[in-house]
Amino acid sequence: IAGITQAPTSQILAAGRRMTLRCTQDMRHNAMYWYRQDLGLGLRLIHYSNTAGTTGKGEVPDGYSVSRANTDDFPLTLASAVPSQTSVYFCASSDETSGSYNEQFFGPGTRLTVL
Amino acid sequence: GQNIDQPTEMTATEGAIVQINCTYQTSGFNGLFWYQQHAGEAPTFLSYNVLDGLEEKGRFSSFLSRSKGYSYLLLKELQMKDSASYLCAVMDSNYQLIWGAGTKLIIKP
Repeated sequence: IAGITQAPTSQILAAGRRMTLRCTQDMRHNAMYWYRQDLGLGLRLIHYSNTAGTTGKGEVPDGYSVSRANTDDFPLTLASAVPSQTSVYFCASSDETSGSYNEQFFGPGTRLTVL
Repeated sequence: GQNIDQPTEMTATEGAIVQINCTYQTSGFNGLFWYQQHAGEAPTFLSYNVLDGLEEKGRFSSFLSRSKGYSYLLLKELQMKDSASYLCAVMDSNYQLIWGAGTKLIIKP
């Protein structure tokens, strides 16, 4: 693989169900991010991780959890999905050690519908 | 609060020039980014400005005025493939990106 992959590509989920969105990068970037994108709104940060073993809350963390057991993987879990979590979810990564700015590279996204 | 404003939609003609504006109010400033996002795809990086002035990269240029909280993306010699949304994002004092809602650019032949 090259870059960032996400799985699944799309998913329809019943409210109340648990769901994990997967994200894997092979660029050895130390920082990873989860965003949601909704029509008419900018990308909103859900959770982030600056390095393996650490995570932080973004702008809209409620209802979501993440883990960062290693450099490559950054799964996002919805413990009990609700319809307001219907969105397109993007995973991104950046190399925070490389220089003066931090271009983020994005995965292809997961389109999630909660009914 | 933090706010990024950009026009919702713009229309331009193939071969022409278009300027997409972005104004921002954020807690701190560590640079401004422009990304391109085609429909149904992921955002891809276009440019980064941290100092005032113009950065040119081929047909695309980006300008920044920190004192005015203002940036623009200039696209020259428009091609049909430039039809996309253009996202403005500012890195705040916590080194997190604050995103605008994006400007949908429609190119007409």
